Amino acid sequence: DSGVTQTPKHLITATGQRVTLRCSPRSGDLSVYWYQQSLDQGLQFLIQYYNGEERAKGNILERFSAQQFPDLHSELNLSSLELGDSALYFCASSPRDERVTEAFFGQGTRLTVV
Amino acid sequence: ILNVEQSPQSLHVQEGDSTNFTCSFPSSNFYALHWYRWETAKSPEALFVMTLNGDEKKKGRISATLNTKEGYSYLYIKGSQPEDSATYLCAFRGNQAGTALIFGKGTTLSVSS
Repeated sequence: DSGVTQTPKHLITATGQRVTLRCSPRSGDLSVYWYQQSLDQGLQFLIQYYNGEERAKGNILERFSAQQFPDLHSELNLSSLELGDSALYFCASSPRDERVTEAFFGQGTRLTVV
Repeated sequence: ILNVEQSPQSLHVQEGDSTNFTCSFPSSNFYALHWYRWETAKSPEALFVMTLNGDEKKKGRISATLNTKEGYSYLYIKGSQPEDSATYLCAFRGNQAGTALIFGKGTTLSVSS
């Protein structure tokens, strides 16, 4: 158990809908990262937050947004969902924004858009 | 756009074989190279984090080397066991502000007994 908790584990929703994925980092970790893994793709970096502020941004669609709250948990909001958004979404956390610190991954949320 | 390439994409070996995989990454703006192991139905777990050119790290039968000047890292598994079956991911971290950990697509290893 990495100590990173993601909810829900599975989510099935229809096209056009909006969903929120939640991540609780390891106790004391300040950085939260979101990754998307689609079929035949590697882990695609979406966005990083550090202590409540956006720190780095990857190929995140405009329909997607995220935030990190004062208690350090993070939410990834996906709106106007399309079939192609079906993927495994991972959250990871690390103690600091130190580039040598390993990331600890949650179990992921599998999103299926029908 | 940063490109992290891993080869081979997949590999099937017999128990007891030794094997190695390659990770290629940009040789400029290097800060760290991570290796992760990702078993089916689990989440990726860190194996190594390497920062210095010439770094070698070892954990049991698994070891890794790093060449930052030419932009590659090797992961070695000695005497593969069925429990080594997993996808092995490398991830590059640059030294520029606003960048994060960029992953390759992984090498999937299958070890038969």
